[in-house]
Amino acid sequence: EAGVAQSPRYKIIEKRQSVAFWCNPISGHATLYWYQQILGQGPKLLIQFQNNGVVDDSQLPKDRFSAERLKGVDSTLKIQPAKLEDSAVYLCASSLGSDRGTDTQYFGPGTRLTVL
Amino acid sequence: AQSVTQLGSHVSVSEGALVLLRCNYSSSVPPYLFWYVQYPNQGLQLLLKYTTGATLVKGINGFEAEFKKSETSFHLTKPSAHMSDAAEYFCAGGSNYKLTFGKGTLLTVNP
Repeated sequence: EAGVAQSPRYKIIEKRQSVAFWCNPISGHATLYWYQQILGQGPKLLIQFQNNGVVDDSQLPKDRFSAERLKGVDSTLKIQPAKLEDSAVYLCASSLGSDRGTDTQYFGPGTRLTVL
Repeated sequence: AQSVTQLGSHVSVSEGALVLLRCNYSSSVPPYLFWYVQYPNQGLQLLLKYTTGATLVKGINGFEAEFKKSETSFHLTKPSAHMSDAAEYFCAGGSNYKLTFGKGTLLTVNP
């Protein structure tokens, strides 16, 4: 079974530039998550989709971050414009969505973003 | 609100020694608890999880954890460390539909 795919794996940009990350979840998984993992910290949930609807984006900095999940499958996360403090690994995860409290989340390899 | 605290950002053990990684949670409702492992330049992989039932949970690679409600703890153990266990370990608590992660513990295994 293919895992969660993410691209690109690495991205270096200058501050105030824009960047986009792509995620393809495991086939059949209804729930998709984007996390931000800053060096030395645990992942922090940015946004959660159930199919193509947003169920939690309370920690997403909406003035610069946006995300969409068209057709309930692939998802993109965009940062515009980027700040130095956005340097982090961006992780995508997916789960079946049958029980969002206990579902196992499967993580992709992440995209390491460096903002100069 | 759910919070998770991992005691010790770095744990170092000798190969063959006991591994003990500590995790405490804070919650007003019965929690769901998870341990994930992250190898360099990879995503997180589930080691084990506690939802309901037996409080001693066995996971992959010989790891296990015990849910102790009276101590609000969910410590991860392995009787004998292998070099391949060197990685970062994250404890996470889930309630409703959200996971809250601890800051992680880096495990190094010395030959």
